[in-house]
Amino acid sequence: NAGVMQNPRHLVRRRGQEARLRCSPMKGHSHVYWYRQLPEEGLKFMVYLQKENIIDESGMPKERFSAEFPKEGPSILRIQQVVRGDSAAYFCASSLRPPQGQEKLFFGSGTQLSVL
Amino acid sequence: KNQVEQSPQSLIILEGKNCTLQCNYTVSPFSNLRWYKQDTGRGPVSLTIMTFSENTKSNGRYTATLDADTKQSSLHITASQLSDSASYICVVSADLRQAGTALIFGKGTTLSVSS
Repeated sequence: NAGVMQNPRHLVRRRGQEARLRCSPMKGHSHVYWYRQLPEEGLKFMVYLQKENIIDESGMPKERFSAEFPKEGPSILRIQQVVRGDSAAYFCASSLRPPQGQEKLFFGSGTQLSVL
Repeated sequence: KNQVEQSPQSLIILEGKNCTLQCNYTVSPFSNLRWYKQDTGRGPVSLTIMTFSENTKSNGRYTATLDADTKQSSLHITASQLSDSASYICVVSADLRQAGTALIFGKGTTLSVSS
């Protein structure tokens, strides 16, 4: 049973380009979360999706960032017109049920985005 | 404001020694507290999850304690190994309506175990 798979592991973009980060949750998991981690900082929540629906996007910047989790295929975090401040590690996590109680989240290895 | 503070920021110990990491939180309403281990370049991996009523929970050489009255938790690592070198993250779950923001992450303690 493969864990949470993220790709690419490393992504380099020039300012103004688009970045697309992919996340395949664990088999059977329908809840997906995206987090951003800056150096020396804790993980910061961005968005929570459940198959085809955005449940909570309160942590995601209003502009340039979008996320989807289609019925088929991986979840995608898209960053348009990237700026240097977008450089960070982006982690995806998944769970079987909503993150209440003692529900475990399983994390992917992350995508390191570098904006030149 | 919901916050999770960890100390120390970093720690260096010799292989075979014990160590204790601290976590203080101001999260309300409290649901549970989790400790994660994050190896360099990897995602966090769950070590323990404790609810309000649990004072201690062990996972091999890792033992977590929780004092819900003082809002403090500790992670004790016994007989450390080189593979314990990682960042240890305290995460507190708040019982919020917006499920996605329910997990509040600390910045982590970076542990280095040397031979």
